[in-house]
Amino acid sequence: KNQVEQSPQSLIILEGKNCTLQCNYTVSPFSNLRWYKQDTGRGPVSLTIMTFSENTKSNGRYTATLDADTKQSSLHITASQLSDSASYICVVSAGNTDKLIFGTGTRLQVFP
Amino acid sequence: DGGITQSPKYLFRKEGQNVTLSCEQNLNHDAMYWYRQDPGQGLRLIYYSQIVNDFQKGDIAEGYSVSREKKESFPLTVTSAQKNPTAFYLCASKLAGGPSTDTQYFGPGTRLTVL
Repeated sequence: KNQVEQSPQSLIILEGKNCTLQCNYTVSPFSNLRWYKQDTGRGPVSLTIMTFSENTKSNGRYTATLDADTKQSSLHITASQLSDSASYICVVSAGNTDKLIFGTGTRLQVFP
Repeated sequence: DGGITQSPKYLFRKEGQNVTLSCEQNLNHDAMYWYRQDPGQGLRLIYYSQIVNDFQKGDIAEGYSVSREKKESFPLTVTSAQKNPTAFYLCASKLAGGPSTDTQYFGPGTRLTVL
């Protein structure tokens, strides 16, 4: 069964600190992995996308990594800001379908 | 949110009533999707359409219906047959249907509450 699991479920950090969110997946055949940011009450917005051959991708203070062998991905946020408070969702595409497999998300709260 | 609009932002419905959620996109995308989001769960696919005048059931289509008469529009009707319709509904679109690396762009969502 195709699944995406994220940890932790929630995270609280102080402004300016770094943090790392984890994503493990069992999706076959694997096509690509995305990280989305979802502000409360809004639609998700894509941050990064990685295919099988890519193992790191950056978007400003966001850096995603992918280990296709262990089927793990991480999202590292550097020098957090209050505006980083949101849910971060790991989404995996299978290579043989139009459907996406969504994780349940990590709820990040950044406090001053 | 790109060029995808959803209306209304908040919707209240009495039990037994049908209600239609609007989704419009001006991105010239072929594919459109409807998802449901509940607390503690990942987004679940309700219906999707890869091209005008064609649509497919997703994982939780029971109690929902859609139409795709125009490329820009993909309305979702929540019928009285949906047992637990209170949720946050998200519409998305993608350049082309089928497996690809194209990004799905999401609308701002509609929160439906059944009273």
